[in-house]
Amino acid sequence: GENVGLHLPTLSVQEGDNSIINCAYSNSASDYFIWYKQESGKGPQFIIDIRSNMDKRQGQRVTVLLNKTVKHLSLQIAATQPGDSAVYFCAEGGAYNFNKFYFGSGTKLNVKP
Amino acid sequence: KAGVTQTPRYLIKTRGQQVTLSCSPISGHRSVSWYQQTPGQGLQFLFEYFSETQRNKGNFPGRFSGRQFSNSRSEMNVSTLELGDSALYLCASSWDTTKNSPLHFGNGTRLTVT
Repeated sequence: GENVGLHLPTLSVQEGDNSIINCAYSNSASDYFIWYKQESGKGPQFIIDIRSNMDKRQGQRVTVLLNKTVKHLSLQIAATQPGDSAVYFCAEGGAYNFNKFYFGSGTKLNVKP
Repeated sequence: KAGVTQTPRYLIKTRGQQVTLSCSPISGHRSVSWYQQTPGQGLQFLFEYFSETQRNKGNFPGRFSGRQFSNSRSEMNVSTLELGDSALYLCASSWDTTKNSPLHFGNGTRLTVT
């Protein structure tokens, strides 16, 4: 299967700081990427997505960067808040694969007040 | 708009039994996917349905099956349960499958096999 992994399994940041969560993917044919947030006892919640024809996309307090050359994806969270504490997953997919996504192993984000 | 609804929320079954999980997608979403989540393997794709047809399948044994109804609601079945089937089973729906669109997940069914 595809290899979608994260560099840091746990990330601790101070409230108000910016957070960066990284993800590597292995299939150069993948053209659609999604970041999810999962809180305890809940299903993954969509944060932001990006297609391969873009290298940056911004949402509310979040930015996703895509570097196709090195097959790397990152999620930046500005002014991290305690409510951002959760596990974050990247997911890799493509139009060729319908809705079969490969998920990374997840990074736990701890926000210290 | 109501989100993805999965029932039941929790299930406890005995090895060898079978189980059926249910999923109601977001209104208007025609694609339903199922994923298994475990601490060891993470999120793994089971199968995807669109217009009552299975269009994609993951690497799971034949004990895992599913179906989709004309109203897009979906069920998955696991027969002859094994201890290793204990997991959180997540259903996700999406709107457009031709260009990929985000999966919207339910809160899952927590299955425990004893």
